[in-house]
Amino acid sequence: GAGVSQSPRYKVAKRGQDVALRCDPISGHVSLFWYQQALGQGPEFLTYFQNEAQLDKSGLPSDRFFAERPEGSVSTLKIQRTQQEDSAVYLCASSLLSGNQPQHFGDGTRLSIL
Amino acid sequence: GESVGLHLPTLSVQEGDNSIINCAYSNSASDYFIWYKQESGKGPQFIIDIRSNMDKRQGQRVTVLLNKTVKHLSLQIAATQPGDSAVYFCAGMNYGGSQGNLIFGKGTKLSVKP
Repeated sequence: GAGVSQSPRYKVAKRGQDVALRCDPISGHVSLFWYQQALGQGPEFLTYFQNEAQLDKSGLPSDRFFAERPEGSVSTLKIQRTQQEDSAVYLCASSLLSGNQPQHFGDGTRLSIL
Repeated sequence: GESVGLHLPTLSVQEGDNSIINCAYSNSASDYFIWYKQESGKGPQFIIDIRSNMDKRQGQRVTVLLNKTVKHLSLQIAATQPGDSAVYFCAGMNYGGSQGNLIFGKGTKLSVKP
């Protein structure tokens, strides 16, 4: 597609369940980023991939959060044993190259933990 | 580290007027900045970017000004239209990680009155 695609758009889970969020970046984009956006706040960095290599995961809030991009295209963000504080919008962005490049965002997955 | 913040959380303007949204940053090592527009339920949409070797850049109806001396940037929107109503974020590139992720401010909500 022309833009970054994320699915599902909405996800409701009970506390303790595992969830998986998917990101399809713009075709050919080398860099892929995951951000978390709380209500009324700006996005906050979670993790970064260059092709299939996860080069930075310093923003992941706990070891319950795991991301992968095995073939250097589609990425999945997995959250295990979800907690209420995980409720947020999870945004994926991609850029053509690394460094000083515009990052193009998807519309996010709104995750609600009950 | 880097922090990017906005001076005003809300801005209300009359249709046809010019809008100015301000942003301050703390890390003098940041050399790349982006302005994003985010509408309700959507991801951030790229508006314009600027590198630190420039102090001004113009796009269609938008101008970004960068003042490195006081670590300040602004977004000017000419002839503001109702469709410009959204939350606007400035973001600065952070080089604390391996390839640079964006650090966002909290956002300014722009409301355009017809």
